[in-house]
Amino acid sequence: QITLRESGPTLVKPTQTLTLTCTFSGFSLSTSGVAVGWIRQPPGKALEWVALIYWDDDKRYNPSLESRVTITKDTSRNQVVLTVTNVDPGDAATYYCSHLQTNGWSSYFNYWGQGALVTVSS
Amino acid sequence: DIQMTQSPSSLSASVGDRVTITCRASQSVSSYLNWYQQKSGEAPKLLISGAINLQSGVPSRFSGSGSGTDFTLTISSLHPEDFATYYCQQSYSTWTFGQGTKVEVK
Repeated sequence: QITLRESGPTLVKPTQTLTLTCTFSGFSLSTSGVAVGWIRQPPGKALEWVALIYWDDDKRYNPSLESRVTITKDTSRNQVVLTVTNVDPGDAATYYCSHLQTNGWSSYFNYWGQGALVTVSS
Repeated sequence: DIQMTQSPSSLSASVGDRVTITCRASQSVSSYLNWYQQKSGEAPKLLISGAINLQSGVPSRFSGSGSGTDFTLTISSLHPEDFATYYCQQSYSTWTFGQGTKVEVK
């Protein structure tokens, strides 16, 4: 059974760095083809893909966020960490981590955490 | 970047209605198109992958069609638990979601 859970601060100040951790079980990020991504959703708005990391440490970033976002993995601890630097109110959102299933060239997010709500305010 | 545009942004429907949601990509995404359902306060749930492939456990009243730039999600007969927001997502080039379609009670 695959599960994911996000953890991190609920409140960060503008210009600070936000660090979120995704702890997962039921799969290994050292297995070929496996990937974990972060998707965020501002209150009342649409989903936005943020970043993704593959089993081989290949990383993908949303171009609109790439200069401020870093994704890393700790395979031994079954964790993926997302950092967002120099946050502003536009970064306030529920942040989800999700397991990416690949099927040939096709891919989709088939397991999701419950989400972590982050507020940006001084 | 590939942009995804859904229409309508919202719709009002009754239990038993047939509901159709469309999704258009700014360039061809072949069949690399997924649909998700999100209920208030919950994480999204994958309904359909590869434009037409119903996920295990998803009721057969849901179906997807299309390829290239134009896609459709159809609910053949709306059930009470189907009132939610639906998102399309392309996976042809990284991942992009549409803006969502909220299905509300008429």
